[in-house]
Amino acid sequence: GENVEQHPSTLSVQEGDSAVIKCTYSDSASNYFPWYKQELGKRPQLIIDIRSNVGEKKDQRIAVTLNKTAKHFSLHITETQPEDSAVYFCAASGRGATNKLIFGTGTLLAVQP
Amino acid sequence: EAQVTQNPRYLITVTGKKLTVTCSQNMNHEYMSWYRQDPGLGLRQIYYSMNVEVTDKGDVPEGYKVSRKEKRNFPLILESPSPNQTSLYFCASTNLGGKRYNEQFFGPGTRLTVL
Repeated sequence: GENVEQHPSTLSVQEGDSAVIKCTYSDSASNYFPWYKQELGKRPQLIIDIRSNVGEKKDQRIAVTLNKTAKHFSLHITETQPEDSAVYFCAASGRGATNKLIFGTGTLLAVQP
Repeated sequence: EAQVTQNPRYLITVTGKKLTVTCSQNMNHEYMSWYRQDPGLGLRQIYYSMNVEVTDKGDVPEGYKVSRKEKRNFPLILESPSPNQTSLYFCASTNLGGKRYNEQFFGPGTRLTVL
């Protein structure tokens, strides 16, 4: 069935370093790939997304890259800050007209001051 | 302000006592869905609705019901809750039109404990 794998499950970096989270998806028909940030006790918030007609998208310190051939996409956070500490989820749109998002299992990012 | 609301935010109940978690959105979205979030398992879809009176099962529908009588509301019903339904629940509303197609907004979450 449809599946999204996300790695690593935990990531610890020093403040100012970069962080990279990677996801692979199984459904070649997927065409929308959002990333969500979830702070402790709060709802997932969309931070960036990419559609299959582009290979890279940037928004200040965050960027997402997409390789459709290999069916993987990555989140890059540069110059990390303590407030970047959270759980990050990737997702991929599912097959057909259901508009379903398939989520990865999440990455706990800890930015050490 | 565009938003998705859920109530209650926290609920402790006992096995077998019927409960309803309400969800409402003010963005005129056709597509709404319910997820449960459990440690290590990410977000799993319970039910979704493509429009009024159109609902369908997601990945983990057992023990849940939904209804969609109005576009803005999508309540989640647990007819006979059991302890394995203890979880964090999120309602979501999805934009199906324009440049922001597929952008999904989450409600604040409902933490449910079934004793």
